Amino acid sequence: KQEVTQIPAALSVPEGENLVLNCSFTDSAIYNLQWFRQDPGKGLTSLLLIQSSQREQTSGRLNASLDKSSGRSTLYIAASQPGDSATYLCAGGRGDYKLSFGAGTTVTVRA
Amino acid sequence: SQTIHQWPATLVQPVGSPLSLECTVEGTSNPNLYWYRQAAGRGLQLLFYSVGIGQISSEVPQNLSASRPQDRQFILSSKKLLLSDSGFYLCALSGSGYEQYFGPGTRLTVT
Repeated sequence: KQEVTQIPAALSVPEGENLVLNCSFTDSAIYNLQWFRQDPGKGLTSLLLIQSSQREQTSGRLNASLDKSSGRSTLYIAASQPGDSATYLCAGGRGDYKLSFGAGTTVTVRA
Repeated sequence: SQTIHQWPATLVQPVGSPLSLECTVEGTSNPNLYWYRQAAGRGLQLLFYSVGIGQISSEVPQNLSASRPQDRQFILSSKKLLLSDSGFYLCALSGSGYEQYFGPGTRLTVT
């Protein structure tokens, strides 16, 4: 069973600082890894999907990397803004369409 | 692009009462559909998933059930709610690309 861990549980940074969010997983045979954003009381918004054959994906200020050998994925958010405040979740897929989720990192960007 | 609707948005039900939550999707055909629960202080738990009409797989034994009467409709039900059924219920879909998309969620409070 895929176990996904996100540390730290919470993070507070001043506006403009780059954010680095970590995600670790136990099964290196991961099929894909997906990063989500969740605002309070809302559903999840997909940010980036990295297939197992890929090393990274980029979208605007967001960049996610995947290192299967070390069991880690990192989400980078450049030049953080107060609007980036949210909970970020990563999830690992096993190729059977099911995802295992981490507990999330709650980010606060201070203006 | 695909859209996921969930109804109702919020629900307060007494213990022992029945439950029916509905998820409908637009903009896609033959999707895989999922029900997740997010309890306070806990991560997302996959409850059910479906790869087609009438095909339901249960991930966690409990007093909940799911049905998929139409390609784009997924229903979560219970005959008798427990206090522990309180939580935020999320419907999600995925297509052939494995990326999962989530609906806005239903907040259920069992009193």
